[in-house]
Amino acid sequence: GEDVEQSLFLSVREGDSSVINCTYTDSSSTYLYWYKQEPGAGLQLLTYIFSNMDMKQDQRLTVLLNKKDKHLSLRIADTQTGDSAIYFCAEQGKAAGNKLTFGGGTRVLVKP
Amino acid sequence: KAGVTQTPRYLIKTRGQQVTLSCSPISGHRSVSWYQQTPGQGLQFLFEYFSETQRNKGNFPGRFSGRQFSNSRSEMNVSTLELGDSALYLCASSSGTYTGNTIYFGEGSWLTVV
Repeated sequence: GEDVEQSLFLSVREGDSSVINCTYTDSSSTYLYWYKQEPGAGLQLLTYIFSNMDMKQDQRLTVLLNKKDKHLSLRIADTQTGDSAIYFCAEQGKAAGNKLTFGGGTRVLVKP
Repeated sequence: KAGVTQTPRYLIKTRGQQVTLSCSPISGHRSVSWYQQTPGQGLQFLFEYFSETQRNKGNFPGRFSGRQFSNSRSEMNVSTLELGDSALYLCASSSGTYTGNTIYFGEGSWLTVV
């Protein structure tokens, strides 16, 4: 079945770049998503990438997709204290309708 | 444009009771999905509704059910509540006509079972 893995924790200094990694197993994945969750809140859609793309850039966010290795990364440039949160990657399989399979989340702590 | 609206935001129920949670999707969206988030199991898919029909279902017991109305609003119900049902329940909305439509989430309903 589908499985999505993420590292648990990332600590980064304010102003540096953060890179959050994710691996998935479903080779039929069509879209891959990144969501941000702040304490007590729901999931905020940050960005997504179609599986036939290698890279997508959106302001401070850059998503890289290596489909051969089933590896996805999210780079946040000029990380700010407001970026401290839990980040989830999720994959959407071809036959899955709108079902998303999520990773366990990466907690990002931005230090001043 | 209003986002995904979930009600109630917080509720406390007793074991054995039942609960109904509501979700209003983004205007024009026809797909509503529900997820359960717990510290131990993470984010797990419950079910998806599209045009009043259940299109996809996760691995949850029959105590968890849902429905969708003609205006795309959705409700989920949990009967005979157990302590382990304490979780954040998230609703997701998309246009849903085919895979790959952008999926947006609400703020969630925090359920505590005592």
